[in-house]
Amino acid sequence: DAKTTQPPSMDCAEGRAANLPCNHSTISGNEYVYWYRQIHSQGPQYIIHGLKNNETNEMASLIITEDRKSSTLILPHATLRDTAVYYCIVRVSTGNQFYFGTGTSLTVIP
Amino acid sequence: ETGVTQSPTHLIKTRGQQVTLRCSSQSGHNTVSWYQQALGQGPQFIFQYYREEENGRGNFPPRFSGLQFPNYSSELNVNALELDDSALYLCASSDSGGERETQYFGPGTRLLVL
Repeated sequence: DAKTTQPPSMDCAEGRAANLPCNHSTISGNEYVYWYRQIHSQGPQYIIHGLKNNETNEMASLIITEDRKSSTLILPHATLRDTAVYYCIVRVSTGNQFYFGTGTSLTVIP
Repeated sequence: ETGVTQSPTHLIKTRGQQVTLRCSSQSGHNTVSWYQQALGQGPQFIFQYYREEENGRGNFPPRFSGLQFPNYSSELNVNALELDDSALYLCASSDSGGERETQYFGPGTRLLVL
């Protein structure tokens, strides 16, 4: 069962930062937060993941609150190609299963 | 390095039939997970195979079964197809080796049951 809560949809102007929130208030101490995105029913694409510290890669930044109960995915300069459904996932510590919620549908507006 | 591939891309079956979907894992990966994604929903975990053994299962009936082969490719079999089995079936491969493991998804097989 999904352990995350995300807003169903968001808009962002092209070129601006997109900030996608996620609540995971029941997360355990050794469970990682992962972010994936899915463009038009293609396979989900890995974006980033983290445990406690903030993380950054070439695609995005992940900000995790100190109590780990929420996180924010930041796309620094959104483009039209970033329009997708974004999934925040807490990977269950027993085994490697990912439990997806319904995600946030991000629309980047020209 | 080759990515995750799945076959076929699309499939149409009738109720009661059986179907086999195939997945080739990314080079160097020994774990394959299968997901079902109904229209408008997030992917739902079906099961995972690690080194040819089932390594976890979601809330799916026994008519959903799988195999993993020595080269780590995998099959998903569904018997007695029902209309609600119509979905996008995704497989993901990973290198099982710890809690930082990341799953990489294939493009999916879209199954339509009539």
